[in-house]
Amino acid sequence: QSVLTQPPSVSGAPGQRVTISCTGSSSNIGADYDVHWYQQLPGAAPQLLISANTNRPSGVPDRFSGSKSGTSASLAITGLQAEDEAHYYCQSYDSTLNGWVFGGGTKVTVL
Amino acid sequence: EVQLVESGGGLVQPGGSLRLSCGASGFTFNIYAMSWVRQAPGKGLEWVSSISGAAGGGRTYYADSVMGRFTISRDNSKNTLYLQMRSLRVEDTALYYCAKAPYYDILIGQGAYVDLWGRGTLVTVSS
Repeated sequence: QSVLTQPPSVSGAPGQRVTISCTGSSSNIGADYDVHWYQQLPGAAPQLLISANTNRPSGVPDRFSGSKSGTSASLAITGLQAEDEAHYYCQSYDSTLNGWVFGGGTKVTVL
Repeated sequence: EVQLVESGGGLVQPGGSLRLSCGASGFTFNIYAMSWVRQAPGKGLEWVSSISGAAGGGRTYYADSVMGRFTISRDNSKNTLYLQMRSLRVEDTALYYCAKAPYYDILIGQGAYVDLWGRGTLVTVSS
């Protein structure tokens, strides 16, 4: 069981908007630690998608956006495309565990 | 080219030991915090351990699941990160990724992240 909770799966038609939630607690997201998001395409290593809650690294399409509020964060994908089919993971720091924590991952399916 | 290349994975019996290595190139290795993150077959990502860069004095961090069994270290003269794994268990079976943070410690600011991943090395613990 992961410290950060994500839905196992979300799906949407091409062009639609989907969101992925990441719920933590007072020792991680709620303690004002940043939330970061990674995309893992099939058979590949994860890649950074969003850093520090809302920042897109160079090369990441602006269809991807992040937000954070209280003990939760969200990743939104607008204008869903077939190439967005992947697993998505949130990550933060936990002061009780004294280390990084990941969400269990969400598989995005493009219908 | 900026990259991380892991090696040292393989098949080992329960209770055995293994040392993973991660060679870094294309950036000033000694500056940055480095980590190991693993992924069991068909499962999600799990943080294993981190070590700070030179400014952090090489401070180490461990997940509870590996504390006392795994040791992270780095040789800045060789641009190499290591993970010594002892008393291996079946549940340690995973693809082990080497990961770089953009700061000298994973606790800088509001918490660091991974800005560079290796391709992973597979560790299988089985009799």
